Amino acid sequence: GAGVSQSPSNKVTEKGKDVELRCDPISGHTALYWYRQSLGQGLEFLIYFQGNSAPDKSGLPSDRFSAERTGGSVSTLTIQRTQQEDSAVYLCASSFQGSGSNIQYFGAGTRLSVL
Amino acid sequence: GQNIDQPTEMTATEGAIVQINCTYQTSGFNGLFWYQQHAGEAPTFLSYNVLDGLEEKGRFSSFLSRSKGYSYLLLKELQMKDSASYLCAVRGSNDYKLSFGAGTTVTVRA
Repeated sequence: GAGVSQSPSNKVTEKGKDVELRCDPISGHTALYWYRQSLGQGLEFLIYFQGNSAPDKSGLPSDRFSAERTGGSVSTLTIQRTQQEDSAVYLCASSFQGSGSNIQYFGAGTRLSVL
Repeated sequence: GQNIDQPTEMTATEGAIVQINCTYQTSGFNGLFWYQQHAGEAPTFLSYNVLDGLEEKGRFSSFLSRSKGYSYLLLKELQMKDSASYLCAVRGSNDYKLSFGAGTTVTVRA
């Protein structure tokens, strides 16, 4: 597509439930990133994919968080047994790695609210 | 670790100029980025600096001094639509991971 697409745009869930967030990157972009944006804080890096592999998962806050990418395209971020502190906007970005600047282009995010 | 500081809020008048400063202390440096983010929308790329100096792009300019760990984003001829959050981000020694400041909310008043 023309830009990075994320779904759903909003998700309200109950504490303890699992959620899946989807990211569809810009066509042809080999790299994909997930970030989390909490109120009043900067974007926090979660995970980076190059193709289907994730060489850097260092930002995932706990083992309740996992992500996968299939076919070098769509990625899903899964949060198991959600907690209230997981409430945030989850942003996905993609880039064409190989260009010097490697500019990351962002989607509009999924706003997750855990009640 | 990474430490990126920028002011929380700035207010300016339509038609004026505003300069948003960003200072950083990072382990390695491989580029500095500025993004604009309107409420509820995606951050959109504004500028990229990797060498010292000024990069000009229309009404927006960005400056970098690597020795001082300092950058600024200059917005000229402010318009109401420029009211947004401006995010400073630094890429460290790797070639992918961005570390972000908390963002500067700019309010443009008539």
